[in-house]
Order: sequence, then C-alpha cells, then structure tokens
Amino acid sequence: ETGVTQSPTHLIKTRGQQVTLRCSSQSGHNTVSWYQQALGQGPQFIFQYYREEENGRGNFPPRFSGLQFPNYSSELNVNALELDDSALYLCASSLIGSINSPLHFGNGTRLTVT
Amino acid sequence: KNQVEQSPQSLIILEGKNCTLQCNYTVSPFSNLRWYKQDTGRGPVSLTIMTFSENTKSNGRYTATLDADTKQSSLHITASQLSDSASYICVVTATYTGTASKLTFGTGTRLQVTL
Repeated sequence: ETGVTQSPTHLIKTRGQQVTLRCSSQSGHNTVSWYQQALGQGPQFIFQYYREEENGRGNFPPRFSGLQFPNYSSELNVNALELDDSALYLCASSLIGSINSPLHFGNGTRLTVT
Repeated sequence: KNQVEQSPQSLIILEGKNCTLQCNYTVSPFSNLRWYKQDTGRGPVSLTIMTFSENTKSNGRYTATLDADTKQSSLHITASQLSDSASYICVVTATYTGTASKLTFGTGTRLQVTL
C-alpha cells in the first residue's frame, strides 16, 4: 500500500506567476482534497474532488483550481500568485462513502512567493 | 459561519504526565469530528474519528471524547512521551449532500513534552 505523495517538496515563485502542485493518492482511495496551511495555523480547506469533479470548496478565490485524474492523482493550480499564497499546501486522500474513513495526508509542498 | 476553536494554544508538560486538549465547534450539519497529530514539517496523521453517536474513542494512549449537545470535544493524552511533542488539530466535517463535504480545521494546540 503506497501512501500519499506530493511534489515538489519545496517551490519558490514570483508574485504574478502560476504554479502547479501534484499529488498521488493512496491506493484504493477515490477522493482527494487540498489544504493551505500558513505558518503556525491550522490547515484551511481549499476543495475536494470525487469522480474528477469538485464536490466541496472552501473560501478560496477562483484562481485556485484543481484537477483529479482517472487514476485519482490530482493537481492544484494557483494563478496570479500573491505574497499571501506562501504556505504549506497539503493533499489528502480518502475513500468516500465511508464516514469513518480517515484522511491520509501527504507531507506537503512548501510554496514561497517572493 | 463554521468555526473550530482549540485551547490551549500551547502547552508544556513533563514526560509521564497526562494532559487534556479542548475543542469547541460551531459546524453544521455535523458529520464527524477528527483529531490529528502533526509533527513539524510533516502532514497530519489521524488519531481518532467520531460520529454524532459516539461519546468516546481511544487509540493507545490517546482518548477522545465528544459531546454533540454542547459541541465540545477533548483529547486526553496519558503518560506523555517525548514523541508526543507535536501540534494536535481538531477537524470537524459538515456534509451537505451524499458526497459533498467541507472540513473546518482548528488552529491546533502545540504540545511540548520535556524531561
């Protein structure tokens, strides 16, 4: 059983640029969700994908978008980067339909916007 | 507005001692409440998950309680170890339809266990 893996582990971008972060779900999981965690804060829910469609979204602007692929891997895209987008971005996978299914998190991508 | 508040913000205890972390929430419609442990620089790891009908759940030295009436939860750590030093995050799920859900995270309690 493989865990959740995220790439890259660290990334530095300039304000205004676009970034794509990637996530491979744990085998057997069909749902992926993304979170933004600022330093010293708890994670903030960005959105969740199931069957390649977004089925839940937090309070993030449209420049945060995502994709889920048939193999359940996922991408988080952020356009027009702002300094406040600097954070740890976490991906988590789970098995929808099982209310007691825990979220399995990756170790995140640390994004720095300068 | 859905909110999850945790207390204390940080805590220092001696190895071997017990401690209790608190979580209050205003999330609806409530689906479940989870406690996670997050080591520095790592992703959170699940400790417990409780649904509306569950009052308590244990995972080794970790015991979580849930009072759905008062919308409060606690995480009790028994006989603390140095490896328990981490942030403990309370997460409440609201499910709006069969599959659509939204998670609200607390800001966490930073626990430090010392010799």
